Amino acid sequence: LAKTTQPISMDSYEGQEVNITCSHNNIATNDYITWYQQFPSQGPRFIIQGYKTKVTNEVASLFIPADRKSSTLSLPRVSLSDTAVYYCLVPHTGRRALTFGSGTRLQVQP
Amino acid sequence: DSGVTQTPKHLITATGQRVTLRCSPRSGDLSVYWYQQSLDQGLQFLIQYYNGEERAKGNILERFSAQQFPDLHSELNLSSLELGDSALYFCASSVDGGLDEQFFGPGTRLTVL
Repeated sequence: LAKTTQPISMDSYEGQEVNITCSHNNIATNDYITWYQQFPSQGPRFIIQGYKTKVTNEVASLFIPADRKSSTLSLPRVSLSDTAVYYCLVPHTGRRALTFGSGTRLQVQP
Repeated sequence: DSGVTQTPKHLITATGQRVTLRCSPRSGDLSVYWYQQSLDQGLQFLIQYYNGEERAKGNILERFSAQQFPDLHSELNLSSLELGDSALYFCASSVDGGLDEQFFGPGTRLTVL
């Protein structure tokens, strides 16, 4: 079973860069890594997805080292509205089931 | 608005009862996923369907079952309900059920008394 590990919580201040790392030791060769954001009582929302090296979009960057056993979500210049839970999503090796990480609760303060 | 609809929004029932949660995917999406989220817990994957067929199974209890109909809407049936089944149940859909982006519905909050 593909298991992911993330920090339980992180604190930051407005305007800072936040980096959240996810460990996924059993990721399969062709699988992608996906990150989602969830606000209280709402369904998660897709942030970014990547396979290797670096991916950037309008809201975040995703860094994946060569061994792909981990990934880092980078949120530049966070604001109060970035306070949420962030999940790392990695497919279940072999069975194509889906495993969300435990989630990282990010609290952004003024 | 993700385009995924779920009904009902809230459901209150008693232990031992049976309920059905309904999900309509985004137009054009063939795959539907069900997740359970208990209070302050992470998302637990239950089951995935693709074009009417079961594609992947997660931690779904034997008391729970699901299906996807020809019009692609899906239902999650929960029976012999226990207090511990109280949770938010999310449905998500995606185009091809692979690694593409999943769009989540607003969820159904189930309370078992």
